[in-house]
Formats: sequence, structure tokens, C-alpha cells
Amino acid sequence: EVQLVESGGGLVQPGGSLRLSCVASGFSFTYWMSWVRQAPGKGLEWVANIKQDESEKYYVDSVAGRFTISRDNAKKSVFLQMNSLRVEDTAVYYCARAGDYGHYFDSWGQGTLVTVSS
Amino acid sequence: DIQMTQSPSSLSASVGDRITITCRASQDIANYLAWFQQEPGKAPKLLIYDASTLQSGVPSRFSGRRSGTDFTLTISSLQPEDVATYYCQNYYSALGFTFGPGTKVDIK
Repeated sequence: EVQLVESGGGLVQPGGSLRLSCVASGFSFTYWMSWVRQAPGKGLEWVANIKQDESEKYYVDSVAGRFTISRDNAKKSVFLQMNSLRVEDTAVYYCARAGDYGHYFDSWGQGTLVTVSS
Repeated sequence: DIQMTQSPSSLSASVGDRITITCRASQDIANYLAWFQQEPGKAPKLLIYDASTLQSGVPSRFSGRRSGTDFTLTISSLQPEDVATYYCQNYYSALGFTFGPGTKVDIK
């Protein structure tokens, strides 16, 4: 069974940093992986993705230069380092796996809540 | 950036009704369109990818179609367990993906 388990969320002050982790199990860790977020009561927003060999990484404009996605294939994990956090980064952050045939998201974690507030 | 719009933003229908949700892309995205269902407090669940391919395990009452830059998700016979918010997603380019704003579906 495919499983994605996120951790690392919490309360942080504006300007602070946080590192999210996602551990995968139940499949070969050879897929593109993404982070998708959802602000309270709002829709879904793709944040970043990373290729299997880390040779390609992409970000939504609103986090480029502040967030960094990375992965450790030996530990079947993907990470999101979030710096210079803003109030508007408050959201549930989901880890998601790309599908076999394209960049749709066929498996999701349960999400971890990041709250940026003073 | 490719923009996605959805209509309606919400709908209320009776059990057994046929409902259709529309998603429109701001430019040609070929068939690179997925549909997700999100129940309150849960992670999204993939229903359809490549505009019309049903994900394994998804009931056959769900279907998807493409006409140019317009995409539709149809539920042929609405069930109580279908109460959720539905999102479309374009994945035309690995450089970035966009979701529609969502359609909230509930039962009359």
C-alpha cells in the first residue's frame, strides 16, 4: 500500500523557518514528488516539485527564493525547507506523488499544518 | 501561467441526479487534466487523469470529457458519499501546475 506521511508542521513567527518531511512507503521511490498546500477554507495550490534524481526542481512564484525542495532517495523522503515565512504561508501542506503517466497526483499524505503568526 | 476556472462554484442536487462540473483552461493543455475529490478534513483523492481515464478503484458513475479547452466531470447518479469539493488540475508542464478554485457539491 502506498503511504506518504508528513511531519514538521507547527506554529512559527513571521520571518521564521520550518522544515517539513515526508516519508514514503509501499512503492519504489522513483517518482516525481510535490508539495501542495491548502490555506484554511481555501483551495489547493501546488508549491514545488522535484525529479527523481534532483536534476529538476520547480516552484510556484510566491515561494521561489524562500522555499527549497529536496529528497533523500535512500531514506525514501522528500523535504521542504521553508524560510522567511509569511502569514500567507499558513496552510496544510500535503506531500503528493506524481502518477505513472504524468504529473497528476495519484497519492497524497494526510497533511501537516503550518501556522505563521505572531 | 495557465489559469483554470470552474463552474459552478457550488451545487445542490438530489440523490440519483446526474451532475456536471465544468473546468476551463486559459490555453490549450491537450488532455493534461485531472479531477480530484476532497471530503471535509481529508486529503484530496484522484478520480480521473488524462481528462477521461478513471483512476483504479473509482466508481464508474464518475466520468470525464474534453472539448478543446473545456473539461467536464460528470457524476451519473449522485450518491450521499459524493458530498465533497471537486477540483480540476492542469499538468501540462512540469514547470508548474494549477488547480481550479473548486466546486462544492452537496445533497438537497
